[in-house]
This record gives sequence, structure tokens and C-alpha cells, in this order.
Amino acid sequence: DAKTTQPPSMDCAEGRAANLPCNHSTISGNEYVYWYRQIHSQGPQYIIHGLKNNETNEMASLIITEDRKSSTLILPHATLRDTAVYYCIVRVSGGSNYKLTFGKGTLLTVNP
Amino acid sequence: GAGVSQTPSNKVTEKGKYVELRCDPISGHTALYWYRQSLGQGPEFLIYFQGTGAADDSGLPNDRFFAVRPEGSVSTLKIQRTERGDSAVYLCASRRDGNSPLHFGNGTRLTVT
Repeated sequence: DAKTTQPPSMDCAEGRAANLPCNHSTISGNEYVYWYRQIHSQGPQYIIHGLKNNETNEMASLIITEDRKSSTLILPHATLRDTAVYYCIVRVSGGSNYKLTFGKGTLLTVNP
Repeated sequence: GAGVSQTPSNKVTEKGKYVELRCDPISGHTALYWYRQSLGQGPEFLIYFQGTGAADDSGLPNDRFFAVRPEGSVSTLKIQRTERGDSAVYLCASRRDGNSPLHFGNGTRLTVT
């Protein structure tokens, strides 16, 4: 699976949008981008995934650049409960082997 | 509905002892995963099951680690002759099928003294 690069930490003010970047310059055409987050002392939680089109759900929006070499996870109105480590992962779609390889992620701190 | 359940939530054992960690996946989920997470690191893949069989065990660090899922539901991760370096949070996740996402439990914190 392609490697990803994320900043180690970011800060955001409560109520503002949090924009978390991810570089995946070696991504292949059949690799999806997945985002998970991990709140302290809990297991990782799925947020969203996409292939090439932008995606939105009740938690966040995912913007993937046209060349697919990078993406941005957007939390439109960050709250204190959004403080967590955010992981960007790429993996091949389909096939018999589906496993996610986590990096160190980005620690997002939402400040009051 | 009920999520992935892991027991115990904490386990303290002495070096050299044998431990078993249990995972109850979400009902109906065919795939089950074990990960290990050390402080300040992301989760590290250990093994995953599709049904009863191990589809990929390439992440198991050595032959002291073994996992089973005999009936395609509950899984047990077994660690023999524990070492202090085995101390970590062991996470279990399950997945329904296809491209559906992984759902994680809150992990078992293993401390080897």
C-alpha cells in the first residue's frame, strides 16, 4: 500500500473548520484513501473514505486533489470532542487481502 | 447495536507467563483483525481472519504469538512466554464485507512486569 505523510500535530479553535492534510504521492489508481481517528484510550473510529471524487458524510468532508497525490479531511465546525489523532491510510480496493497500515497520524487539538 | 468487545480491558502478567486476550466481533462480521499499539505509535497490524481461517498473519512478530477463531466469530490472541516488550494495547477490529470499514474495540492493555 502507498505511504502517507501527515503533519505530527495541528491546533484548531473550537467552532472553526479543521483542515487536516495528507500526502500520498505514490498512490495507485485503484487505491482508496481512508481516514480514521483515535480519541485517547479508545480504539480507532472510521470517519470517511474515497477514491477520486470528493465525499461528505455526517462527520466530515474528504477533498482529494485531481492528481490524487494529496487529500484534506475537513471537520466543518470543530468541537472539543474532536481532539484526537487522525490517521490517513491508503489501500487497494477489492482483492482478497484487505488490511490497513497505520502511520503515526496527526494529533489535532481543538482549543476553547 | 453492540460494538466490538474485548476482554479483559487490562491485564498485568509476569514475564514468562502465558496470556489469552479475547475479542467478540460485531455479529455478522466475517473479517476479524488484531492490531498492537505501543505508546505514541499508530496501530500495528498482526493478523486477520476471513471466517475461521487466517487470511494474513504476516504481522505476528514471532512464534510466541498465535491467534484462533474456531467458529468464525469470537477470536483469542494467545501469547506464550511473555516478555516486557510485549507490553502494549492489543486492538481487535471486525468488518462486514467488501469495502466496509473496520470497527475497532477499545483494546486490552497488556502490561508485562
